[in-house]
Amino acid sequence: EIVMTQSPATLSVSPGERATLSCRASQSVSSHLAWYQQKPGQAPRLLICDASTRATGIPARFSGSGSGTEFTLTISSLQSEDFAVYYCQQYNNWPRGYTFGQGTKLEIK
Amino acid sequence: QVQLVQSGSELKKPGASVKVSCKASGYTFTNYAVNWVRQAPGQGLEWVGRINTNTGNPTYAQGFTGRFVFSLDTSVSTAYLQISSLKAEDTAVYYCAREDCSSASCYMDVWGQGTSVTVSS
Repeated sequence: EIVMTQSPATLSVSPGERATLSCRASQSVSSHLAWYQQKPGQAPRLLICDASTRATGIPARFSGSGSGTEFTLTISSLQSEDFAVYYCQQYNNWPRGYTFGQGTKLEIK
Repeated sequence: QVQLVQSGSELKKPGASVKVSCKASGYTFTNYAVNWVRQAPGQGLEWVGRINTNTGNPTYAQGFTGRFVFSLDTSVSTAYLQISSLKAEDTAVYYCAREDCSSASCYMDVWGQGTSVTVSS
């Protein structure tokens, strides 16, 4: 089973600054990686798929990079609505399934 | 618009069963698999499994075999998650999510609002 590890667990950043979130896979997942944002009391929202492709309607300040085992989600200039928990997720074709990271909480500094 | 609407909150006693529904609208239901994701209180997201809405073939994640059963009613574009012999540790919010495999990979692009299941005596 592939294990996804996110770091840091909590990230404190000021509005307007850049945030960089990391996700590491225990073995290569190629580019089969997605990022989700979850706000309190809400369902997760897809931000990035295929490691670097923004989902429909996602602002350009969100960007994803990486392949293999190391991935990064960057938010270039934090807005108030960006403070949330972020999850990475890998997709495995066989056996078909998904694994989530434990999440990174992005909080206001 | 494309959406998934789930059934309401449930309060059940240990040993009982619960069935959560997820009704799709705005797209062809059988063109996209439905995944189920669990989130225990204050915890992260955990994949429960998925069901192929075209064939009805289910896939269950490790730890979710036996008591967890997925089913469909394609006539009303609805997927179901049934959990039997409920335990306190099943207390969580359960989400359904549409699976999109149109690119090189697959991901969950549309999510239901979540259904809270509380197991307590």
